[in-house]
Amino acid sequence: EDQVTQSPEALRLQEGESSSLNCSYTVSGLRGLFWYRQDPGKGPEFLFTLYSAGEEKEKERLKATLTKKESFLHITAPKPEDSATYLCAVQARNSGYSTLTFGKGTMLLVSP
Amino acid sequence: GAGVSQSPRYKVAKRGQDVALRCDPISGHVSLFWYQQALGQGPEFLTYFQNEAQLDKSGLPSDRFFAERPEGSVSTLKIQRTQQEDSAVYLCASSLARTGFYGYTFGSGTRLTVV
Repeated sequence: EDQVTQSPEALRLQEGESSSLNCSYTVSGLRGLFWYRQDPGKGPEFLFTLYSAGEEKEKERLKATLTKKESFLHITAPKPEDSATYLCAVQARNSGYSTLTFGKGTMLLVSP
Repeated sequence: GAGVSQSPRYKVAKRGQDVALRCDPISGHVSLFWYQQALGQGPEFLTYFQNEAQLDKSGLPSDRFFAERPEGSVSTLKIQRTQQEDSAVYLCASSLARTGFYGYTFGSGTRLTVV
């Protein structure tokens, strides 16, 4: 059974204080690992897809990295508008229609 | 449309009542997914459509849950005889691809509260 564990559950940062969110996964053959951002009352918003170990992707203050067992979402010099819940999800190769298995998310709060 | 539209945004149902939740995917999107998100949890897969065909319904929690997409565009998720444990946000997502391999776009969801 595919599993995704995210840590920490919640993280409070001061504006400008860089940090990382962790996503550990077990999957029977990884097709892709996804990061989404979810604001209160909204659906998840796509950020990145990573397909193979060693891959990195960046978008503004966010950088996602992938190893064979985990992914990190690095947040550099965060701003209050980065406050949200960040969800990690995996697609398994044997998922014929590419369903996603999600973690519970990390709730990030950035204070000014 | 510009995005995935879901209605209603909020639904309060008395236990035992039937409800219908609507999803309007992005125009032309072939794949449509329904997910359930309980409070404090990540979304969990319910069912998948490719055009009008329901190709995977393995995530539907019981036979009280039923989904359809008769013309390959709008989809409806129906829950019969609602129970308190059905309280959750129901998310719809669509994708241009025949699978969700490249990820998909989510709607804002319908928050269902069963009282």
